[in-house]
Amino acid sequence: KAGVTQTPRYLIKTRGQQVTLSCSPISGHRSVSWYQQTPGQGLQFLFEYFSETQRNKGNFPGRFSGRQFSNSRSEMNVSTLELGDSALYLCASSLRGPGAGNTIYFGEGSWLTVV
Amino acid sequence: GENVEQHPSTLSVQEGDSAVIKCTYSDSASNYFPWYKQELGKGPQLIIDIRSNVGEKKDQRIAVTLNKTAKHFSLHITETQPEDSAVYFCAASREGGSYIPTFGRGTSLIVHP
Repeated sequence: KAGVTQTPRYLIKTRGQQVTLSCSPISGHRSVSWYQQTPGQGLQFLFEYFSETQRNKGNFPGRFSGRQFSNSRSEMNVSTLELGDSALYLCASSLRGPGAGNTIYFGEGSWLTVV
Repeated sequence: GENVEQHPSTLSVQEGDSAVIKCTYSDSASNYFPWYKQELGKGPQLIIDIRSNVGEKKDQRIAVTLNKTAKHFSLHITETQPEDSAVYFCAASREGGSYIPTFGRGTSLIVHP
């Protein structure tokens, strides 16, 4: 069974640009969550999608957005990039959601560097 | 909301020693506590979890203990090996698919051969 796949793995963007990251969950998983990981802040929750609907949202500005398609694949977009957006962006999938009893499977992440 | 504190931030041990990582949580409604291991260049992977109706759980060289009264839980790794070197995250969560777990800030474990 293929794991969670994230693309691209590495990218460099310039301040002010926008970026789109893609995530393919494990087959059959309907929930996709996104996290930002930085050395100082650990794993910060961005948002969760379930059956194409945003079900939960973390405390990030509106520049961060996402969506989920009917095949459960998800994308996240960051507009007007800032230097502080440099981070590892992790996607995680689960059968019914990240709550108790539903194992979360993480992808290997997309490393974003903003210069 | 929930707040999870994790200590230490860095832990250095000799191969064969034991390692203990501790987490505290604030929300007494949390009832599920997973631990993740993140190796360099990879995403976090679940290694063990515990529910609030259980005080201890073991899986080979790793174990997790939970003290609901004190609201803290710990990861214990015995007979550490160099391949145990990684960043470990604890989390607190609740029953229900839509509940979002809160993660600790991670512990970098270094096992010296």
